[in-house]
Parts: sequence; C-alpha cells; structure tokens
Amino acid sequence: QKEVEQDPGPLSVPEGAIVSLNCTYSNSAFQYFMWYRQYSRKGPELLMYTYSSGNKEDGRFTAQVDKSSKYISLFIRDSQPSDSATYLCAMLGGGNKLTFGTGTQLKVEL
Amino acid sequence: DVKVTQSSRYLVKRTGEKVFLECVQDMDHENMFWYRQDPGLGLRLIYFSYDVKMKEKGDIPEGYSVSREKKERFSLILESASTNQTSMYLCASSGTDRGPLGGYTFGSGTRLTVV
Repeated sequence: QKEVEQDPGPLSVPEGAIVSLNCTYSNSAFQYFMWYRQYSRKGPELLMYTYSSGNKEDGRFTAQVDKSSKYISLFIRDSQPSDSATYLCAMLGGGNKLTFGTGTQLKVEL
Repeated sequence: DVKVTQSSRYLVKRTGEKVFLECVQDMDHENMFWYRQDPGLGLRLIYFSYDVKMKEKGDIPEGYSVSREKKERFSLILESASTNQTSMYLCASSGTDRGPLGGYTFGSGTRLTVV
C-alpha cells in the first residue's frame, strides 16, 4: 500500500464549478500537508500548505485536513480554465523529505 | 523569487551512455532533491542532499549517482543509461529558514529519452 493515495483522474468540469481534490494517507507521522499545482511541461509549484486539522482558505482555494480520518482535500471555487493542471498532494513527517501523491489531472472547460 | 534551473529541457541519449543532469539554485538553499516523474507513479525520490558533499539515497537510487561539490549545484548522473530511465527528471530545493512549510521549489524538468 502506498503511503499517499490520490485519484489520478482525469477530472473534467465546466467553468465555474466547485472542484474537490482528495488524498488519503496511512502514515500517522505526517504533520504537514501541501498542495502543488503542475502545469503541462512545467515543474510543480507550491499552492497551499497547512499543518493542522481544519480548513485554510486562500482566495478561491480551500485546503482541508482531517487527521483523524487521514484525509486531505483541496477545494477550488468558481473554477477557471487557467486552473487546468495536475494537482499533487504532498506530506511531510520528520525531516525535510516530502512524500507526494501521484497527482490528479484537472481540466476546466469553457 | 527562488529559481531552480535545470540545464536541459529535452535530452535524447543512447543506451549505455553516461548522462549528466545539472541543477542550479540561486537562493542559498541547503537541501536539494532529484525526482523522476512517470505517469501513474507520480514523483519518486532518487537522491537528496542536505549539504555540500553530502548525499542520501531516496526511494529509487539504483542506476543513479549524484554529486554536490558546491552548495548551489546538484548533479544527477546516470552511470549507464537504459531505456527504463526514460522519464521526466525534476530537481527541487528547499531552505531551512522557513522549515518544512517553505516547501520545495522545483525546476521545469528535463525530459530524458533513452533510445
């Protein structure tokens, strides 16, 4: 079993929809949770991070962590075509070594 | 902004060749990482380094080695390239000043094809 599971998609939604992206994990040592966005032919870029259970909001993006269920989510409100990318969750326990999910490919259509 | 530069965007090499992938970062970051990214497998850590001349194996180090002679430069070496090393290679760096919440900064990647 992988430490981090993420549905690869692809996920296709109409412009303006609310998008929900999810990851589950098995390692209780994970304390920090991040979401990266990767556009085609580019490296991943950090989108949001959190280290506690609950919600964290940044503009149209909300990161949610439920440590008791070992489940994290990223919500995108009012999705735009420019949000079309692959979204990777990442987690950190001790040290500086991140463990990534496989990524979910999202396409927002006009 | 932190910049991580990978020397080549696309490379085509022959089986058995020794291949060097170079990565340079300009923000004095202590930590540097090499990943490969494959469809359905995500990012897999090959090697990482916390300091000059220091290296640690990641999850899939076989067939690879690394070199970090200077703080800003981290090189990935494929000793004898094979077709199963065809992949996207991503370099990343992170600093200790913001701790783990600073996240990694990635380069744009090198797409290596071994024929």
